[in-house]
Amino acid sequence: NAGVTQTPKFQVLKTGQSMTLQCAQDMNHEYMSWYRQDPGMGLRLIHYSVGAGITDQGEVPNGYNVSRSTTEDFPLRLLSAAPSQTSVYFCASSPGSGLAGTQYFGPGTRLLVL
Amino acid sequence: DAKTTQPTSMDCAEGRAANLPCNHSTISGNEYVYWYRQIHSQGPQYIIHGLKNNETNEMASLIITEDRKSSTLILPHATLRDTAVYYCIVRVGGATNKLIFGTGTLLAVQP
Repeated sequence: NAGVTQTPKFQVLKTGQSMTLQCAQDMNHEYMSWYRQDPGMGLRLIHYSVGAGITDQGEVPNGYNVSRSTTEDFPLRLLSAAPSQTSVYFCASSPGSGLAGTQYFGPGTRLLVL
Repeated sequence: DAKTTQPTSMDCAEGRAANLPCNHSTISGNEYVYWYRQIHSQGPQYIIHGLKNNETNEMASLIITEDRKSSTLILPHATLRDTAVYYCIVRVGGATNKLIFGTGTLLAVQP
């Protein structure tokens, strides 16, 4: 198993551009989440999904959209990038409800918005 | 979910046990204690979790006090590769899958 994969690893955007951060997992996990991590801070939850077709907002959802059309993929879309969205983005997945707190994280996408 | 309090940083000598404390005095009866760590520039890694009883796995031991208001993560023989930020998180079990990370404890293992 590849686990949780994220692409791209690095990205530079100009203010106002849009882009999609990709996340995929091959463990057949129901639950997937997106976090952002800013320097000196812990991770903050952006959006999460408890299964295909179901998404919900986390702590800091503004400026981001998600969808979950398949179990494997959970892309994060930045609609109009802003410098405040410069951050490291982590995607995570976890198995069924009995182990819902056990999350497997991807390697991260480092995003710089100029 | 209950909030947690951890020291900002700790040092530990290589080969010695590292004991990382966490206070969660407002924890509810159905909330679990989870520990994750994040090595520099990598994604967080799950370590261990527990509800009431002490737990041990190949990575660490988790000691939860009888009143469940605090816990300690123990790395029995710390190595330089254990240098990381360690997060203590409490959350309810069940279907909603939100882990709320605080700022954690930076453990520096010294040679």
